[in-house]
Amino acid sequence: AQSVTQLDSQVPVFEEAPVELRCNYSSSVSVYLFWYVQYPNQGLQLLLKYLSGSTLVKGINGFEAEFNKSQTSFHLRKPSVHISDTAEYFCAVTEIQGAQKLVFGQGTRLTINP
Amino acid sequence: EAEVAQSPRYKITEKSQAVAFWCDPISGHATLYWYRQILGQGPELLVQFQDESVVDDSQLPKDRFSAERLKGVDSTLKIQPAELGDSAMYLCASSFDRGGYTFGSGTRLTVV
Repeated sequence: AQSVTQLDSQVPVFEEAPVELRCNYSSSVSVYLFWYVQYPNQGLQLLLKYLSGSTLVKGINGFEAEFNKSQTSFHLRKPSVHISDTAEYFCAVTEIQGAQKLVFGQGTRLTINP
Repeated sequence: EAEVAQSPRYKITEKSQAVAFWCDPISGHATLYWYRQILGQGPELLVQFQDESVVDDSQLPKDRFSAERLKGVDSTLKIQPAELGDSAMYLCASSFDRGGYTFGSGTRLTVV
């Protein structure tokens, strides 16, 4: 069965600074990978996803992530954050074959300070 | 842009009462999921439907929770009786294939 570990539960950064949110996964088969953002009392909004092809994936709001198969990682980055990026971020994985369900990490709370 | 509809957005109920949540997936999405998200944690799958059939309910507390998806379209998740520990966000999602999962806005349940 697949699993996801988000290595930081909280990440505080200053506005306009770069940020990286770390995600590692475990699976015995090939996977698809996703990053979602959640604002207070809202559902999950897709930031980006890796299905195949280029390992560098660009998403909405200036975010990007890089799939590293050898390190089983899918870290999320943004070169310059804004106050509006304050939210909870979730990494998720689904296996290419087998159960068609998303398995989530525990989340990383990103706090942007002025 | 198509959305997954959920209602109600917020629900406050007393323990031991019954409560129900409704979800209408994106048209054409055969797979529907119910997730529970406890405050400060990631979502956890409760039940997965393929059309009207349950394909995974291994984490559903079946003594008090039930879910149905009659006619393979919209779905209802019920809790009876509700317990204090059921306070959480209940998220519905649907997908056409593994490449895309769309989530609704969720129902925030508070049991008092």
